[in-house]
Formats: sequence, structure tokens, C-alpha cells
Amino acid sequence: NAGVTQTPKFRVLKTGQSMTLLCAQDMNHEYMYWYRQDPGMGLRLIHYSVGEGTTAKGEVPDGYNVSRLKKQNFLLGLESAAPSQTSVYFCASSFRRMTADTQYFGPGTRLTVL
Amino acid sequence: ELKVEQNPLFLSMQEGKNYTIYCNYSTTSDRLYWYRQDPGKSLESLFVLLSNGAVKQEGRLMASLDTKARLSTLHITAAVHDLSATYFCAVDGTSGSRLTFGEGTQLTVNP
Repeated sequence: NAGVTQTPKFRVLKTGQSMTLLCAQDMNHEYMYWYRQDPGMGLRLIHYSVGEGTTAKGEVPDGYNVSRLKKQNFLLGLESAAPSQTSVYFCASSFRRMTADTQYFGPGTRLTVL
Repeated sequence: ELKVEQNPLFLSMQEGKNYTIYCNYSTTSDRLYWYRQDPGKSLESLFVLLSNGAVKQEGRLMASLDTKARLSTLHITAAVHDLSATYFCAVDGTSGSRLTFGEGTQLTVNP
């Protein structure tokens, strides 16, 4: 049981390049989330998904897109990277809200945009 | 819009001392979470508080929730160096399992 995994762990992009971050979970969780963490700002929700084939915007969705084609995977895309997107990105997953299950976090992806 | 504020943001304390971290939030919620993050690492769940008056304890850490005051506390008893980390509270708003995080409290326990 690997929990939540993220690929890649580190990445450096040039402004305008695109990339996709992959999150995978093996806990059969319904809900998945993408956050970014910046110094002094805690974690901010980018997008989330409440089930396969569904996505929704979070607090800071601009410049990002997501897809949840399979229940176990949640992809975060940057179409045209900007230096403001330099951050640490965390994926998380949880079961169902009714159980008030906590969110389980992946190890993070450190992204630098030059 | 739900806002979550923690204080203090930075806390330096000596081993053996007690201290409390506060988490205030702005709108009604009865679900609050505490996480720990070590430098360069991911977030680890510490406590889930689901109702008014809930109290959870694990080792030297004890968390409580007062939904009427919109306040949660994380109390540290007889701190040890291993507790040095950043602690986040997060509140589950009313729109479907979305957490809003506080800024985090960076705790340093000195020998």
C-alpha cells in the first residue's frame, strides 16, 4: 500500500513551457485534491475532484487544468508556466465527506519556473 | 469566504515547557483537522475534531475544538526536540470536503 504518490518530485521549467503532474492513490478514495504551498501562506486548494470524471475549481485555479479519467489518478496541468507558479505542489486524497476522513497527502513536487 | 488564522506563526520554546497554539476560523464548521509538516516533507495527519467540545490527545499533544467560539487549540505538554515542526490547522467548510488551511505555526523546541 503506497498511499499517495506524486510524479515527478522535482522539475524546472522555462516560462511558457507546459507540464503535467501525476498523482496516484491506491486507497480507493473518492476525493482527490491539488494544493500549492508557498512560504507563509499555508496550503491553497487549486482544483479538486469528488469522483472519477468530475473536477471543480478551488481557491487558486487560474493557470491550471486537471483531469480525473481514472479513480486512482488525478492530473494537474500547466499549459504555459509562469514564474508565479514556482511552488511546492501537494496532492491529497480522502474517502467520503460523511465519514469525515482526513486527507492523506503525497510527498510533494517542487516546481521552479525560470 | 472562510478564513483560518493561526497564532503564533513562529514559536521557539525550551524543552520541558508547555505552550498552546491557537486556530481561529471565520464561519461555522464542526470539522477541524491538525497536521504536522517536517521541513521538506509532506503533511501528516495528527487529529480530526468533529464536534463541539471534542478533545483528542496523542502523546504530548492535545487538541480541542470549541465550535461556538470558532476556536481550536493545540496544547503542547513538556515539549521535546522531536516536536519541532510546522503545525497546520485546517477547517472543513460547508462546500463538500474542501479544507481551508491556516498559515501554519513553525515550532522550534530548543534543548
